[in-house]
Amino acid sequence: DAGVTQSPTHLIKTRGQQVTLRCSPKSGHDTVSWYQQALGQGPQFIFQYYEEEERQRGNFPDRFSGHQFPNYSSELNVNALLLGDSALYLCASSPGDRLGGYTFGSGTRLTVV
Amino acid sequence: AQRVTQPEKLLSVFKGAPVELKCNYSYSGSPELFWYVQYSRQRLQLLLRHISRESIKGFTADLNKGETSFHLKKPFAQEEDSAMYYCALSNFGNEKLTFGTGTRLTIIP
Repeated sequence: DAGVTQSPTHLIKTRGQQVTLRCSPKSGHDTVSWYQQALGQGPQFIFQYYEEEERQRGNFPDRFSGHQFPNYSSELNVNALLLGDSALYLCASSPGDRLGGYTFGSGTRLTVV
Repeated sequence: AQRVTQPEKLLSVFKGAPVELKCNYSYSGSPELFWYVQYSRQRLQLLLRHISRESIKGFTADLNKGETSFHLKKPFAQEEDSAMYYCALSNFGNEKLTFGTGTRLTIIP
């Protein structure tokens, strides 16, 4: 089992552009959450998807949107990129029974220039 | 609002000495508390959660609701314990996690 896989591992974008990050959950997990980790900070919750619906959302603007597919994989989209969006974006999957805890991916390092 | 505070950004401890990483939280209700660890060049992984009351790699953490703390302890530090440690809380199960800013633990040989 490869665990949670994220792509790409690194990405450089220009201000104003749009970006899509991808995540495949651990086998058997149906819930996907996204976190943003700025340098020197702990991860901050962006949103969580379950059954292809956004179940919870953190304090992030509408420029951040997501999607979950029938195979439970997920995308994070960020529009109109700002320099402050530069961060490590982590995907975490969990089983739907809410008892198993999160498994994190290695993250996508996004740099906005 | 829920908040997790880890007062020490950096902590250095000699090998064989006791380790204590501090974590305080504010939350209205009964949170679930976690410690996550990130070793060098590895992904974030769960170290322990308070409901399971397990001891993982010699680490333990007791939830003190009176002091709203969940400090991580180990009686004898080992070099392989050097890592970044994050305390986190959630409402229940796999609800969103609120993380602290982390403590980088370095074990001095």
